[in-house]
Amino acid sequence: AQTVTQSQPEMSVQEAETVTLSCTYDTSESDYYLFWYKQPPSRQMILVIRQEAYKQQNATENRFSVNFQKAAKSFSLKISDSQLGDAAMYFCAVNSGGSNYKLTFGKGTLLTVNP
Amino acid sequence: NAGVTQNPKFQVLKTGQSMTLQCAQDMNHNSMYWYRQDPGMGLRLIYYSASEGTTDKGEVPNGYNVSRLNKREFSLRLESAAPSQTSVYFCASSELEGHRGGYTFGSGTRLTVV
Repeated sequence: AQTVTQSQPEMSVQEAETVTLSCTYDTSESDYYLFWYKQPPSRQMILVIRQEAYKQQNATENRFSVNFQKAAKSFSLKISDSQLGDAAMYFCAVNSGGSNYKLTFGKGTLLTVNP
Repeated sequence: NAGVTQNPKFQVLKTGQSMTLQCAQDMNHNSMYWYRQDPGMGLRLIYYSASEGTTDKGEVPNGYNVSRLNKREFSLRLESAAPSQTSVYFCASSELEGHRGGYTFGSGTRLTVV
């Protein structure tokens, strides 16, 4: 079984500032993949960034980067230079061989961006 | 480039009524999934279809049935709707089962059962 915990139900950040969203996960598998999805008010699920567990280098996509701590099973998302359009619900997710690679999601963090 | 299309977008049902949620993808993906999203619960897997002709239960299958009609289409049926099934339903697809690249999601169906 695999689980994902997002301990921050809500976060806020000032426009142009940096914010970090936390995520911890649990899986007994050595082969797994981690994801952050963004869900704006439109309800669409948008893939923000992915990390392969066997890669030590942290993934980066423009203003989005992750801090992947494999031993601690931690996978946080950093958003730099926050923009109003970043306001959304963010979900952390994992898929691993133990669950036949089905995606398991955390409960989400609602991010507010203040002008 | 439609991706994953869900219909309807919104639906209100009375308790005991039945309905089918439609999902179609045009990316030639093999695997398809149905999730439900409830406040404070994230997304939970209802059923999935690893490939055409196969379906399996997910985390919360009770009260639902699915049909993988062909490679493109994967429908979710509520035989006798209950208020506990009030939720937002997402269909998703992936190239292979649990594709490491992640899933492509539809825009969701907001279902209210009164």
